Order: sequence, then structure tokens, then C-alpha cells
Amino acid sequence: DAGVIQSPRHEVTEMGQEVTLRCKPISGHDYLFWYRQTMMRGLELLIYFNNNVPIDDSGMPEDRFSAKMPNASFSTLKIQPSEPRDSAVYFCASRQDLSTDTQYFGPGTRLTVL
Amino acid sequence: DQQVKQNSPSLSVQEGRISILNCDYTNSMFDYFLWYKKYPAEGPTFLISISSIKDKNEDGRFTVFLNKSAKHLSLHIVPSQPGDSAVYFCAASGLISDTGRRALTFGSGTRLQVQP
Repeated sequence: DAGVIQSPRHEVTEMGQEVTLRCKPISGHDYLFWYRQTMMRGLELLIYFNNNVPIDDSGMPEDRFSAKMPNASFSTLKIQPSEPRDSAVYFCASRQDLSTDTQYFGPGTRLTVL
Repeated sequence: DQQVKQNSPSLSVQEGRISILNCDYTNSMFDYFLWYKKYPAEGPTFLISISSIKDKNEDGRFTVFLNKSAKHLSLHIVPSQPGDSAVYFCAASGLISDTGRRALTFGSGTRLQVQP
């Protein structure tokens, strides 16, 4: 298996622009998680899905952030409009099912908002 | 409120010696603990885990110890190798009360440097 795939790996954009981050989880995994890593706050959970349904979005910082999972093999995290404080590394992770707590992470997308 | 704490931001050890990384937690609902390793420009990689019903789990050079009464776990790497140089994250999982959900809570990480 190729593991969790994220794109793009790097994104540089200007304040006010829309940013879309993409994730393909490991095939057969029922859970998908979006995390954000910053120096100040470490690794924080933004939202997670179970069988394509959002379960907990309490970590989403503001209404500018939205996430979708239209099917079992694809998810997006959108920021609109983006702000410099959104600059961070965004990770996607997937978990097989309820029988395990182990999550497998993608390589991350480094977002820079100028 | 930081529920999972890694109080040492960095650690430096000599190749061949033991590396000990520590993690403390506060939430008694946590019942499963994991260690992840992260290299620069890569995502965290699962390393080893332990259930709260155990006090030790070993996998090759890596051993995790859990002290439930002290709410403390540690990762031992013996012998340490230069390739082990990375950031290590401790994570804890438990049932979120009233929701039936489980989620991982991560510590802030410890940067391990193994000197050749």
C-alpha cells in the first residue's frame, strides 16, 4: 500500500486566497483525521471522519476552515480566506477501524500564507 | 490544559547508549498509549504502543514502560543509533466521556539527537 497520500507537499499563497489541501487515506481505513502542527500549539486535531461522515469538528479553528470527504478515498481541507496565522504543516492520518487506535500519517502539507 | 506532557524538548545521547524519553499524562480515561517518530519533512510514523493492561511492551531495540499509578510512560531505545535521531511524540487514547468516541492526544515532542 502507498500509505496516506497528501497533496500538495508545499503551498505558498497570499493572504485572502483560498487554499485546498487534499488527502487520500489508506485503502480500507474507516477513519480519516486532519491535524495541524505549529510551534506554538504542537500537533492538534482539527476534524475527523468515520465512513466519510464528520464526527468531531470541534478542533476546527474558525468558519474559514471546512473539510469534506465525498468518498472513502478522498478528503479535502479548505481554508477561505487564508490568513498568515494559518501557516503551519497540515497532516492527514487514517485509522483502520475501532479495533485499533493506531493512526497512519501522510507526509504533510507545509502551508505558508504571506 | 495539556493532558499529555513531554517535559524534555530535547535529548542528546551517544551512539550505543540508552535513550530514555519520558511522557506524563493527566487524564485517567486514557487506556492506550503510542509513540511516534518524526523525521524532518515527513509525517509521524508509528513506532510502538502499549495498552493500559500492560506495564511493558518490547519491540526490538524499543521498549515502552507504563506506570499507571504515576501516570507516566517512557520509551527506551537500546542501543541508540544515529538513525534514531528524530522528534518523538507520545500520544494517548481514551474514551471521550459522553460521546463514545476515541481520539489521540499528542504531547509536544522530544527531539532526540544520537551522536556518532
